[in-house]
Amino acid sequence: EAGVTQFPSHSVIEKGQTVTLRCDPISGHDNLYWYRRVMGKEIKFLLHFVKESKQDESGMPNNRFLAERTGGTYSTLKVQPAELEDSGVYFCASSNSYNEQFFGPGTRLTVL
Amino acid sequence: AQSVAQPEDQVNVAEGNPLTVKCTYSVSGNPYLFWYVQYPNRGLQFLLKYITGDNLVKGSYGFEAEFNKSQTSFHLKKPSALVSDSALYFCAVRDGTSGTYKYIFGTGTRLKVLA
Repeated sequence: EAGVTQFPSHSVIEKGQTVTLRCDPISGHDNLYWYRRVMGKEIKFLLHFVKESKQDESGMPNNRFLAERTGGTYSTLKVQPAELEDSGVYFCASSNSYNEQFFGPGTRLTVL
Repeated sequence: AQSVAQPEDQVNVAEGNPLTVKCTYSVSGNPYLFWYVQYPNRGLQFLLKYITGDNLVKGSYGFEAEFNKSQTSFHLKKPSALVSDSALYFCAVRDGTSGTYKYIFGTGTRLKVLA
């Protein structure tokens, strides 16, 4: 069974540019989560999808961040325009229950 | 509010010695607790979880964790450390208050096992 995959693994962009991160959850997992770890700090929740619906987006930092989950399958997280403080590692996780979440390898975003 | 604390940024231990990585939590209701590990250039890998039942939970790679309700702790342990255990360890609690069951993570503890 394939795990959670994320693309790209690393992205370096200039301040003001746009970046789109993609997450492919484990097949059949209805729950999809996005988290972010800023350097040296805790991993923080961004938002949660159940199938294609946003259940909780209370962790989204501001309206420069837009998440979608087309057809309840893969998800994208777009940052537009990117700012320096958006740098960090973005993790995606999926689950088919509310116990254990399976995490992807993360996307390291560097905004210069 | 739900929270998790990992008081040590780094733990150093000699290979073959027992190791402990500390975690304390604050939750309302029954805690669902998790440990994850991140090896260099890898994602978060699940180690073990406490939902209910025995206070001593056994997980992957020989790790175990002890749930202590009175001390609100969930320390990760291993009887004999390996150099390959060197990694970043995260403790997390599931937040069931919002209905989304998101995780609240600690800041992580870097474990360094010395040969």
